[in-house]
Amino acid sequence: AQSVTQLDSQVPVFEEAPVELRCNYSSSVSVYLFWYVQYPNQGLQLLLKYLSGSTLVESINGFEAEFNKSQTSFHLRKPSVHISDTAEYFCAVSEAWSGNTPLVFGKGTRLSVIA
Amino acid sequence: GAVVSQHPSRVICKSGTSVKIECRSLDFQATTMFWYRQFPKKSLMLMATSNEGSKATYEQGVEKDKFLINHASLTLSTLTVTSAHPEDSSFYICSASRGQETQYFGPGTRLLVL
Repeated sequence: AQSVTQLDSQVPVFEEAPVELRCNYSSSVSVYLFWYVQYPNQGLQLLLKYLSGSTLVESINGFEAEFNKSQTSFHLRKPSVHISDTAEYFCAVSEAWSGNTPLVFGKGTRLSVIA
Repeated sequence: GAVVSQHPSRVICKSGTSVKIECRSLDFQATTMFWYRQFPKKSLMLMATSNEGSKATYEQGVEKDKFLINHASLTLSTLTVTSAHPEDSSFYICSASRGQETQYFGPGTRLLVL
């Protein structure tokens, strides 16, 4: 079984400042890793994912995450945040190479960008 | 591509009634659909996994007679909350997978039971 820990429940940051949202996971097998974003009263949108290959993955809106196997981490970063980045961010894992396996989510981190 | 819709987006019902929530994959065939429940300011909790044409697999602690799931086609899954009670009030989210590693989520349904 897998588990996900998001160490920070809330992260306030000023606009245009950098941000890092932390995610650590635990698993006895290989995993796929995901970051999802949820805006108020909406469903989840896939931000980025790591399946294999390059450990650094990027999204189209400036976020990036790096898979670190030795530290079992998949922290999300953005060098300069915008007000529109204010949302709830969820880190999730699923068992690799197993087809349609469900996602295991962390508890989420609320990113609040302050003008 | 990979759009998932849910209907209704919000529903208010009286205690004791049943509510049906639909989850549709609009532009792809979903071999597997998942149903999650999200409590306020909490993470998503997997309720069940449903594969087209077969019975859903429920997570431990989820009452299968209360939360009826039907996955009748490759584009539609339904969740029926039977004899709803106030404690069933929550945000229900479905996701769909087309046989690969990525799940695509619906916009969610907010259920309020009075």
